[in-house]
Amino acid sequence: DTGVSQDPRHKITKRGQNVTFRCDPISEHNRLYWYRQTLGQGPEFLTYFQNEAQLEKSRLLSDRFSAERPKGSFSTLEIQRTEQGDSAMYLCASSGVREASSYEQYFGPGTRLTVT
Amino acid sequence: GDSVTQMEGPVTLSEEAFLTINCTYTATGYPSLFWYVQYPGEGLQLLLKATKADDKGSNKGFEATYRKETTSFHLEKGSVQVSDSAVYFCALAEGNFNKFYFGSGTKLNVKP
Repeated sequence: DTGVSQDPRHKITKRGQNVTFRCDPISEHNRLYWYRQTLGQGPEFLTYFQNEAQLEKSRLLSDRFSAERPKGSFSTLEIQRTEQGDSAMYLCASSGVREASSYEQYFGPGTRLTVT
Repeated sequence: GDSVTQMEGPVTLSEEAFLTINCTYTATGYPSLFWYVQYPGEGLQLLLKATKADDKGSNKGFEATYRKETTSFHLEKGSVQVSDSAVYFCALAEGNFNKFYFGSGTKLNVKP
């Protein structure tokens, strides 16, 4: 069990560029979550997948943000036309199939995005 | 909408002191409540949870009781150690665990 991994760990981009982040959850986990965390704040929920289905999206997720989980395994989060306000840590978490453990999220190390 | 409010930090204590970190919540349904911890240089990890009113979650000497009447889930530990220095996040999840809401975090510094 290698845990939740995220790639890249750091991304610096210029305003207006598109960026894509990848999350690989723990292999048997069917639930996958994306969060955004800014300095001094807690994680803000962005979206949730159960297998390949995107079941929840936050109002925070503007039309410049899109997430996919095409085969129910890894997920990508794309931000189009980045803005300086998008600078944050983007966290991915996954949790298991069994009802008894479906609440226990395992977090990845995050991707830190800096928009210049 | 649902939300979590927790006390601002940092909280600085001496080793073996008693710890309380306050957390209150607003929810329309019957949420589950959690405390997560983030040690320096590490990712968030679940510390404890409670899924219904009057449940007490406990782990590593930390405890929190789900109080529906006061909409609270305060974190307590009787005797903190230097190794407990971390940021603590209170969180709630809607009944089906499809969406989680986190507080802003409370940084705890424990001095020897």
